[in-house]
Amino acid sequence: NAGVTQTPKFRILKIGQSMTLQCTQDMNHNYMYWYRQDPGMGLKLIYYSVGAGITDKGEVPNGYNVSRSTTEDFPLRLELAAPSQTSVYFCASSYTDRLDGYTFGSGTRLTVV
Amino acid sequence: AQSVTQPDIHITVSEGASLELRCNYSYGATPYLFWYVQSPGQGLQLLLKYFSGDTLVQGIKGFEAEFKRSQSSFNLRKPSVHWSDAAEYFCAVGAMDSNYQLIWGAGTKLIIKP
Repeated sequence: NAGVTQTPKFRILKIGQSMTLQCTQDMNHNYMYWYRQDPGMGLKLIYYSVGAGITDKGEVPNGYNVSRSTTEDFPLRLELAAPSQTSVYFCASSYTDRLDGYTFGSGTRLTVV
Repeated sequence: AQSVTQPDIHITVSEGASLELRCNYSYGATPYLFWYVQSPGQGLQLLLKYFSGDTLVQGIKGFEAEFKRSQSSFNLRKPSVHWSDAAEYFCAVGAMDSNYQLIWGAGTKLIIKP
């Protein structure tokens, strides 16, 4: 049972480059989330999705985009990377509403230089 | 606005000693409360959650937490820690009228002394 799989695990981007962080879950969870984690800070919600074709902004959506064409996949797109986007990114999913326990991926550590 | 405070950035405990990690929240109604653990280089794992009912909840790995409404607290406890408990612990709060979004504490890093 793979759970939530994130790729890549590490990435270095130059300012202005773009990239897509991949997230796939095999648990048939309806809800999926993208968080960023900065040192000394709690997780901040970037975007979330309550099902295929439905996405919504979280607390810190600027500079990011998402799509949810299937139940399994929830990629996060960074356009025009900036140093402020240096962070560890976590994808998570839950079966029912957002107050169910989340299953997290192992994270993507992104550095923008 | 809702907020979650974990007052201790780091805590050092000897192996075999008891542990209490503090979590205080700010919210008007009864919140939904969670504790997650993050081992180095890993994603977060749910330890336990409180929605309603018995204010003392049991979780995985021998952890428990107690909801105290009068103190707006949800402290995590373990009677005897093991070296494998060294990790970072996060408290989170959610509520229906915040569109279910979780608000996270900044985390407490647990260091185990041999």
